[in-house]
Amino acid sequence: DGGITQSPKYLFRKEGQNVTLSCEQNLNHDAMYWYRQDPGQGLRLIYYSQIVNDFQKGDIAEGYSVSREKKESFPLTVTSAQKNPTAFYLCASSTQEYNEKLFFGSGTQLSVL
Amino acid sequence: AQSVSQHNHHVILSEAASLELGCNYSYGGTVNLFWYVQYPGQHLQLLLKYFSGDPLVKGIKGFEAEFIKSKFSFNLRKPSVQWSDTAEYFCAVNAVTSGTYKYIFGTGTRLKVLA
Repeated sequence: DGGITQSPKYLFRKEGQNVTLSCEQNLNHDAMYWYRQDPGQGLRLIYYSQIVNDFQKGDIAEGYSVSREKKESFPLTVTSAQKNPTAFYLCASSTQEYNEKLFFGSGTQLSVL
Repeated sequence: AQSVSQHNHHVILSEAASLELGCNYSYGGTVNLFWYVQYPGQHLQLLLKYFSGDPLVKGIKGFEAEFIKSKFSFNLRKPSVQWSDTAEYFCAVNAVTSGTYKYIFGTGTRLKVLA
């Protein structure tokens, strides 16, 4: 089945630690996105990528980093510089077509120990 | 900067009542507009979208939305809600920004429909 796989489902981070969230898609989509979902704040864009080896900062990129070395993979690293990392993280992808919908993964809940 | 505003954060309705959820965006160029829904415990899924043509678009489950360019609005409507419409609804805008497509969402509206 085609889709987006996020792992792990739950992740715990210790103070000062970097953690990496995985996002893999087998939909052959060019564009991939990372969002952070907090209650009452909707989905806020962290980073997005339209093609391999290229990505752009979203509205809340500080404290996060990404890479796009392969079309199907877009991992997100939450660095120690992100002071409030507890949130639900969603990865999404779409075709390059301007008017297409996003396909979402099932999300990763990150909590701080 | 591109932004999306949803003014109703929580809405409670009785079954059969009519629904209208507001969405306004700020962006001067060409946009594509979307409404997504997230049912409890499920992924976000697309309700409907607008990219050109008739400004009144119809989506799944009896939902519709009207794009009013002069008001930068894309309000979601349903004539008669059902208990199963209880969910969180997100408005989204996809617009070209610095040569790339930036896809951003509003803060969401939680709808509770009472049986």
